[in-house]
Amino acid sequence: QVQLQESGPGLVKPLETLSLTCSVSGASISNYYWGWIRQPPGRGLEYIGYVYYNGNTDYSPSLKSRLTISVDTSKNQFSMKLNSVTAADTATYYCARFTPAVIGGVSTRYWYFGFWGRGTLVTVSS
Amino acid sequence: DIVMTQSPLSLPVTPGEPASISCRSSQSLLHRFGYFYLDWYVQKPGQPPQILIYLGSTRASGVPDRFIGSGSGTDFTLTITRVEAEDVGVYYCMQTLQTRTFGQGTKVEIK
Repeated sequence: QVQLQESGPGLVKPLETLSLTCSVSGASISNYYWGWIRQPPGRGLEYIGYVYYNGNTDYSPSLKSRLTISVDTSKNQFSMKLNSVTAADTATYYCARFTPAVIGGVSTRYWYFGFWGRGTLVTVSS
Repeated sequence: DIVMTQSPLSLPVTPGEPASISCRSSQSLLHRFGYFYLDWYVQKPGQPPQILIYLGSTRASGVPDRFIGSGSGTDFTLTITRVEAEDVGVYYCMQTLQTRTFGQGTKVEIK
């Protein structure tokens, strides 16, 4: 069974960089897409972005200018860095693995968030 | 950017009764491959979200058949045919046609 564990500082100062790592166990990071999603306290989900095991990425347009997502296949983990954070970046951050969709018993090239970490709360405050 | 709008935002339900959640996108979610690029997730209290429905209407593995995804173009619906107490949580639609965007969420609670 795939397990994902987010790690990183729980408190980040304004204008500094938020850095999180997702460690993957129970599966190889190869051949899958890996994503980040966040949830401000008491609010809804926000897509952050994803990285493919080969390093290809997709970023939310609203975060793209401040965001870097990378993968380290040797450590079986992936990471995100968000620059110049403000209080609006305070949230629980989830990492997730994409799962290929199956239609009629056949695996497709469509992917959805199949496995999630438990999430880690990051607070931006001085 | 594609904007996703859910309604209602709060849905009190009676066990055994049906319940429906609407999700509207600002543009059609029809992909050239003929599928609608829309997923439904539920976040139960204290848990990370989990997949219910992908490609508009396909239930993910292990999802009870009381959950039905339907719709086309810009209008989609998640129906629970007979609500059970364990279905309480916040339900999100998410478009996957252009990057990804979640709806605001619909909180389902027992009356």
